[in-house]
Amino acid sequence: GESVGLHLPTLSVQEGDNSIINCAYSNSASDYFIWYKQESGKGPQFIIDIRSNMDKRQGQRVTVLLNKTVKHLSLQIAATQPGDSAVYFCAERLYGGATNKLIFGTGTLLAVQP
Amino acid sequence: GAGVSQSPSNKVTEKGKDVELRCDPISGHTALYWYRQSLGQGLEFLIYFQGNSAPDKSGLPSDRFSAERTGGSVSTLTIQRTQQEDSAVYLCASSLELGGKAFFGQGTRLTVV
Repeated sequence: GESVGLHLPTLSVQEGDNSIINCAYSNSASDYFIWYKQESGKGPQFIIDIRSNMDKRQGQRVTVLLNKTVKHLSLQIAATQPGDSAVYFCAERLYGGATNKLIFGTGTLLAVQP
Repeated sequence: GAGVSQSPSNKVTEKGKDVELRCDPISGHTALYWYRQSLGQGLEFLIYFQGNSAPDKSGLPSDRFSAERTGGSVSTLTIQRTQQEDSAVYLCASSLELGGKAFFGQGTRLTVV
């Protein structure tokens, strides 16, 4: 997608390995977090979400971990496949009053080597 | 519709012209969001709608940018007197309720020449 560029952090993994993508968020008041996957030329695709009252949530081949103490999110992808190659964004929700927006991180490019 | 639909998918315009970008959200979604994504960058929040009203316009980069939503459905983002720095992918998203899980369209790639 448009976000792929020379300045993106890149994680290169071998097919079949597990991947861990990390994200630091900025606002301690954020109460909801989402991971998105963006393939080249496409819009971001929802992967998994987690609310701030949880510290772990599992989906199909993916797990999100939330550490509110250090404002850190991670996305774990099990048995990474070539189709997982994309840019991954974490997003935090700022919600309250007139504000309702997802604030996105800069993204991490996951490159899966066959 | 089945997903968020944006049109056009690509738009090339001359500097100084006005452009309109359209977003059709998922049917029944009350919240709608516009983001901008420049090459090599993350997603920059522009504006959101709850129904037809836009409580937070703080993300619009300048007064050349405006957006409206009618009938609680379709939204239009208008950029007047386009500049080269407006070139980006403009993404629209919608969610069932305010602050909920947001789904994105494919985006409109705007190129100002």
